[in-house]
Amino acid sequence: AQKVTQAQTEISVVEKEDVTLDCVYETRDTTYYLFWYKQPPSGELVFLIRRNSFDEQNEISGRYSWNFQKSTSSFNFTITASQVVDSAVYFCALSEAANAGNMLTFGGGTRLMVKP
Amino acid sequence: GAVVSQHPSRVICKSGTSVKIECRSLDFQATTMFWYRQFPKQSLMLMATSNEGSKATYEQGVEKDKFLINHASLTLSTLTVTSAHPEDSSFYICSARDYSLKLAKNIQYFGAGTRLSVL
Repeated sequence: AQKVTQAQTEISVVEKEDVTLDCVYETRDTTYYLFWYKQPPSGELVFLIRRNSFDEQNEISGRYSWNFQKSTSSFNFTITASQVVDSAVYFCALSEAANAGNMLTFGGGTRLMVKP
Repeated sequence: GAVVSQHPSRVICKSGTSVKIECRSLDFQATTMFWYRQFPKQSLMLMATSNEGSKATYEQGVEKDKFLINHASLTLSTLTVTSAHPEDSSFYICSARDYSLKLAKNIQYFGAGTRLSVL
């Protein structure tokens, strides 16, 4: 069975600090996909990134970067020089290729509060 | 801009009435859509997988007669909460899967959610 754990339920930082959101996953499938979504107070989920299990290259997109480590089953997300607009709940999710329709299993979410 | 449109964004209704929520994929065809429920300060819980042209697959514990799902076209899925009661009050979110084997694309895009309040 697949499982996603986000151990940090809430993180509070001051603007311009760097912050890393942890995500640890469990799966028996060799082919799977990992995602990060952002949920601002408005409620909609905003897609941030998708990574497949065969691509361990780290990725950087502006102030966002992701570190995928298969050896530790982790897919951590770092925001550099955080801003108030980064305040949101961030969800890590896993999808196994073997699942029909590729349903997502979400972690519990990490609420990030960036204070001015 | 949004690629998945969910309507309405907010519903307040009396106990016993039925409420229909629509989920539309705007820029792509979605053979598969998903319906989630989210309680305050909690994660998303999958309710059902909606497949175009066939019956929805419900997760354990979700009453299919209570939450009717119809996926009549490749761009529209609807969730009807029948005879709603206060315990059905929640945030309901849909997603549509943008999938292409040829393009190696497989991403779920989410609607903005519907906040249902049953009085």
